[in-house]
Amino acid sequence: GAVVSQHPSWVICKSGTSVKIECRSLDFQATTMFWYRQFPKQSLMLMATSNEGSKATYEQGVEKDKFLINHASLTLSTLTVTSAHPEDSSFYICSARGGEEGRGSSYNEQFFGPGTRLTVL
Amino acid sequence: DAKTTQPNSMESNEEEPVHLPCNHSTISGTDYIHWYRQLPSQGPEYVIHGLTSNVNNRMASLAIAEDRKSSTLILHRATLRDAAVYYCILRAGRWGNTPLVFGKGTRLSVIA
Repeated sequence: GAVVSQHPSWVICKSGTSVKIECRSLDFQATTMFWYRQFPKQSLMLMATSNEGSKATYEQGVEKDKFLINHASLTLSTLTVTSAHPEDSSFYICSARGGEEGRGSSYNEQFFGPGTRLTVL
Repeated sequence: DAKTTQPNSMESNEEEPVHLPCNHSTISGTDYIHWYRQLPSQGPEYVIHGLTSNVNNRMASLAIAEDRKSSTLILHRATLRDAAVYYCILRAGRWGNTPLVFGKGTRLSVIA
């Protein structure tokens, strides 16, 4: 299957600082990327959907000014947590989906990155 | 996407088969049944999917009830590396145009 990477894999920051998380599709072009958040012992919650070259669509209750998403290319999306606070500490997971018809079903599948653990002190 | 119901947790002995059930009584005719799993501190990974017929791949088997209102993920020989949370997800169309929506899943523990 296709590979999605995230960087960094973990980050610790002080309250009030901003943190950027990168998500890359390594061997396919991702027309759509998704960002999820997962608190301990809970399931993944979708935060936003982003299509290359357009503004992200945020789920209800997710502050778009706090969680800035940029999908500038077909292989890279970034999530910036601005003015992070301890309650933003979570496991952030990105997912990428290709959308090219005729290249096999796997290119429409949703592939997940390994996740980034954010701890805000 | 239609809702699924799974047991919160299950336990298995190593090297034994595991049957993970999923109820989806409100499934529609175009819904595919997908299974993903999430190992500790990792992102989810695809396991298997099907529509009506039973499916087999190198990771698992998927048994789908004739009325499609339930399905069972079968791990033929559980290993310690299979300890994970298993999610049963319905999607309209084979891959769907909407993002995967995760329920609570089943936490599988494997005992050596």
